[in-house]
Amino acid sequence: EVQLLESGGNLVQPGGSLRLSCAASGFTFSSHAMSWVRQAPGGGPEWVSSISSAAGGTYYADSVRGRFTISRDNSKSTLYLQMNSLTVEDTAVYYCAKEGPPVPAGLFEYWGQGSLVTVSS
Amino acid sequence: DIQMTQSPPIVSASVGDRVIITCRASQRIGSRLAWYQQKPGKAPSLLIYKASNLEAGVPTRFSGNGSGTEFSLAINGLQPDDFAIYFCQQYDSSPWLFGQGTKVESK
Repeated sequence: EVQLLESGGNLVQPGGSLRLSCAASGFTFSSHAMSWVRQAPGGGPEWVSSISSAAGGTYYADSVRGRFTISRDNSKSTLYLQMNSLTVEDTAVYYCAKEGPPVPAGLFEYWGQGSLVTVSS
Repeated sequence: DIQMTQSPPIVSASVGDRVIITCRASQRIGSRLAWYQQKPGKAPSLLIYKASNLEAGVPTRFSGNGSGTEFSLAINGLQPDDFAIYFCQQYDSSPWLFGQGTKVESK
């Protein structure tokens, strides 16, 4: 059974940093692209970032490019999202999502339960 | 960016009803459209991909249709478990954008 377990969400002040983790199990992590998708309170999902299976390619939404960094450790079956220079607009539940192919294709087959990031002073 | 527009925002329906939700893309996306279901406090879950293909385990009362810019999701014989929010999403080109959602609520 596919399991994705996010952690690291917290309350942080504007301008601060946070690192999210997503521990994966139940599938061959190193064979799949992975993504982060966020959802602000009351809003629809918003794709944030994706990474290829071997970490050779990374992709970002314009809203986070230059501030967020996606990475993965295939030996630990873990996905990360380093978030810097956070603003109140980054407040959301952040979901880790599994894709089918090794290269990001934008189809989010399975989602974790989410980790809440609140940016507030 | 390819924008996705869903309608209606809210559908009020009863168990057993047929519900149709539409989704329009601002550019042609072929069949690269997905539908997700989200229940309160839960993550979205994939229902349909490639416009009309049911994800494994999804009941056959759900169906998807369309190509190009116009798409629809139908629920034939609404069940109590189907009251939720439904999102469409294009995966033709990055950024992969979602529609704003359609809430299916009990009449």
